[in-house]
Amino acid sequence: GENVEQHPSTLSVQEGDSAVIKCTYSDSASNYFPWYKQELGKRPQLIIDIRSNVGEKKDQRIAVTLNKTAKHFSLHITETQPEDSAVYFCAAKNSGNTPLVFGKGTRLSVIA
Amino acid sequence: DAGVIQSPRHEVTEMGQEVTLRCKLISGHNSLFWYRQTMMRGLELLIYFNNNVPIDDSGMPEDRFSAKMPNASFSTLKIQPSEPRDSAVYFCASSPGGGSYEQYFGPGTRLTVT
Repeated sequence: GENVEQHPSTLSVQEGDSAVIKCTYSDSASNYFPWYKQELGKRPQLIIDIRSNVGEKKDQRIAVTLNKTAKHFSLHITETQPEDSAVYFCAAKNSGNTPLVFGKGTRLSVIA
Repeated sequence: DAGVIQSPRHEVTEMGQEVTLRCKLISGHNSLFWYRQTMMRGLELLIYFNNNVPIDDSGMPEDRFSAKMPNASFSTLKIQPSEPRDSAVYFCASSPGGGSYEQYFGPGTRLTVT
């Protein structure tokens, strides 16, 4: 089955700097790659997703890139702000009757 | 749209008691997922349903755990008897199904078993 590895597990950046979180997956049939943000005491919230027919997708300060050949995808946050501090999860799934497989999460701290 | 609804939001119970967690899917969604989250084990998938049918329950930790979908919009997760190690936040999530893979989480139920 699918296996998703995520790194780093923790990341600290200065406010205004960029943050990059990387994930690799094992199943070449995976074609959907969402990212979730979970603030302390809250639910995971879908912030951006990408499908395998697209190499990059951007939404304001966040972007996701996908390299299907290498089987890795990344989340990029530019001009980080303190409110970006949270745990971020990547996930992957294929088009079959299967659930999302999540990475173990990255705790991002943005230092003002 | 109210999103995924879970109840109760907090539950404190004594060891040995039965606990029932409830989840209402987003209208029109046909896939339902139950997760458990703890600091030690992270986010674990317990069971998921498509069109009311349980597809994979291999994540259910023990026979003390059971889940049902009595209709297309509602699910329950029951723990009987509960134990202190069941203390966690339990999330349900729903997805439209078909070619739409987006998955939306409910607010969670924080369960404490003393």
